[in-house]
Amino acid sequence: EAGVVQSPRYKIIEKKQPVAFWCNPISGHNTLYWYRQNLGQGPELLIRYENEEAVDDSQLPKDRFSAERLKGVDSTLKIQPAELGDSAVYLCASSLVGKSSYNEQFFGPGTRLTVL
Amino acid sequence: QQQVKQSPQSLIVQKGGISIINCAYENTAFDYFPWYQQFPGKGPALLIAIRPDVSEKKEGRFTISFNKSAKQFSLHIMDSQPGDSATYFCAATRTGGGYQKVTFGIGTKLQVIP
Repeated sequence: EAGVVQSPRYKIIEKKQPVAFWCNPISGHNTLYWYRQNLGQGPELLIRYENEEAVDDSQLPKDRFSAERLKGVDSTLKIQPAELGDSAVYLCASSLVGKSSYNEQFFGPGTRLTVL
Repeated sequence: QQQVKQSPQSLIVQKGGISIINCAYENTAFDYFPWYQQFPGKGPALLIAIRPDVSEKKEGRFTISFNKSAKQFSLHIMDSQPGDSATYFCAATRTGGGYQKVTFGIGTKLQVIP
């Protein structure tokens, strides 16, 4: 079974430029998450989707960040314009939220963003 | 405010030794405590997890000890191997609406030397 796929793996841009990250979750997983992981820190949730609906975006900086999950499968996270402080690894995860006691989140390898 | 405090931030252990990572939390609403392992260039992967009504869980060389009254839990890696070298994150989850929101610790970078 294929895992969570993310692209690109690395991105270097200059500040004020736009950037987009793409995620393909595990087939059949209804819930998709975007996390940001700063250097030397744990992942922090940016947004969570249940199918195509964003149900928790309280930590998403909405002035410059946007996300979409068309048809409840793939998702794109966009930053426009990027700032120096946005340099981080952006992780996508997916899970099948159902009746099990713990809905394990499966993470992709992440996109490492460097803003110069 | 860090909801899950993790220590140490880095750890060097000799092959065959015991690696111990400690975590503490404040929010009593947390109801599940997973540990994630992350290798360089990879995303975190679930390693082992425990419910707060259990004091210990063991899976192979990995053991979680949980102290509910102290709001502390720890990961013990027995007979540590160089392949265990990775960053370990403790986490705490809070369930609501059938969904668990995960809060991660800062991470511990473990290096096992031959």
